[in-house]
Amino acid sequence: DAKTTQPNSMESNEEEPVHLPCNHSTISGTDYIHWYRQLPSQGPEYVIHGLTSNVNNRMASLAIAEDRKSSTLILHRATLRDAAVYYCILRISNFGNEKLTFGTGTRLTIIP
Amino acid sequence: DAGITQSPRHKVTETGTPVTLRCHQTENHRYMYWYRQDPGHGLRLIHYSYGVKDTDKGEVSDGYSVSRSKTEDFLLTLESATSSQTSVYFCAISGTSGSLYEQYFGPGTRLTVT
Repeated sequence: DAKTTQPNSMESNEEEPVHLPCNHSTISGTDYIHWYRQLPSQGPEYVIHGLTSNVNNRMASLAIAEDRKSSTLILHRATLRDAAVYYCILRISNFGNEKLTFGTGTRLTIIP
Repeated sequence: DAGITQSPRHKVTETGTPVTLRCHQTENHRYMYWYRQDPGHGLRLIHYSYGVKDTDKGEVSDGYSVSRSKTEDFLLTLESATSSQTSVYFCAISGTSGSLYEQYFGPGTRLTVT
């Protein structure tokens, strides 16, 4: 299975943009890039996903490199509620089998 | 929020006893998953189900069994609990149109095996 590599931790100031990197150099052509986050004492929650093109939603933006070997999750204006562990995941999809393989993620700390 | 609940939310049990965790959904989603989360390992898939009575093993299935007799319930059983199975267990669901690419997670069950 293709793996992802993320920094263990990052810090950012409140109300500033945050760029969370992810490397996935062995990604296959059909793997979707997913981002989830886990707030303290909660289950993970979906943030965003993409295949080749950059994506935006109400929570974040996802920038995908042209060769798809890396991607960046962008939080445009971090708040204290964005402090969480962020997981970059390649969704392995085979005939509807929607398995996700989580790594250890990036722990994001927001500084007031 | 997706209608997904887990029971119990907390459980302490002794080594060698059987334990069953329940995941219940009200969303009629096709896929259901059981994960465990331990420090330093992130979430690891134990078993998953792609329909009633259709299940398969995940990454860390040894010591666990599952059953899904109806769409809304997915049970995880530890036949004989061991201390290494002390963990936080999360259930997740996915698979209807409009949410095909998202997994929704339950609140988790904290299991302690003494």
